[in-house]
Amino acid sequence: NAGVMQNPRHLVRRRGQEARLRCSPMKGHSHVYWYRQLPEEGLKFMVYLQKENIIDESGMPKERFSAEFPKEGPSILRIQQVVRGDSAAYFCASSRTSGNTGELFFGEGSRLTVL
Amino acid sequence: QKEVEQDPGPLSVPEGAIVSLNCTYSNSAFQYFMWYRQYSRKGPELLMYTYSSGNKEDGRFTAQVDKSSKYISLFIRDSQPSDSATYLCAMDTGRRALTFGSGTRLQVQP
Repeated sequence: NAGVMQNPRHLVRRRGQEARLRCSPMKGHSHVYWYRQLPEEGLKFMVYLQKENIIDESGMPKERFSAEFPKEGPSILRIQQVVRGDSAAYFCASSRTSGNTGELFFGEGSRLTVL
Repeated sequence: QKEVEQDPGPLSVPEGAIVSLNCTYSNSAFQYFMWYRQYSRKGPELLMYTYSSGNKEDGRFTAQVDKSSKYISLFIRDSQPSDSATYLCAMDTGRRALTFGSGTRLQVQP
């Protein structure tokens, strides 16, 4: 499967714990994006990263949320001290390095439930 | 007012019908327009990607963009039960921070 890979697909955390969501982009893609989908709502942009750089984090909550895309390995979205309102589906997308880079391809999502 | 407005539906049509899905937007800086299909509990799947105004056709799908009216459409010809899903429009100024509509739920009845 050459698509965007996300894991875990489902994650349950208690309030105050940390959640780490991982995303491996499609082969040949070096741009990674994270979006959040709350129940019955559309997807909301969170952050756009390239290898070792955060390009746009205008959609990230100011506290508890962070994202990275290291030189080696997957991109990670980290949520510290989770609260019930963090329960959502978190989608990662990737796009190509060159050419028509605006087409975003999404993974299957990681569904976070905070108890 | 939301930047992108999309009727949530549900929209129910018989198999073989032509489906018309629409979005309106308020931000004149949007240059790139996309339609995604999302099945329940799955990730969004890119259907159509267009730049600026005009039409684009791909198989049974046609996307139209009218920037003067700030209105985009997706037409599905010969609709099939397998087309039953939520359809999301998305727009981008070029920053790649897509702004999505809330989605229209489509049901194609066999």
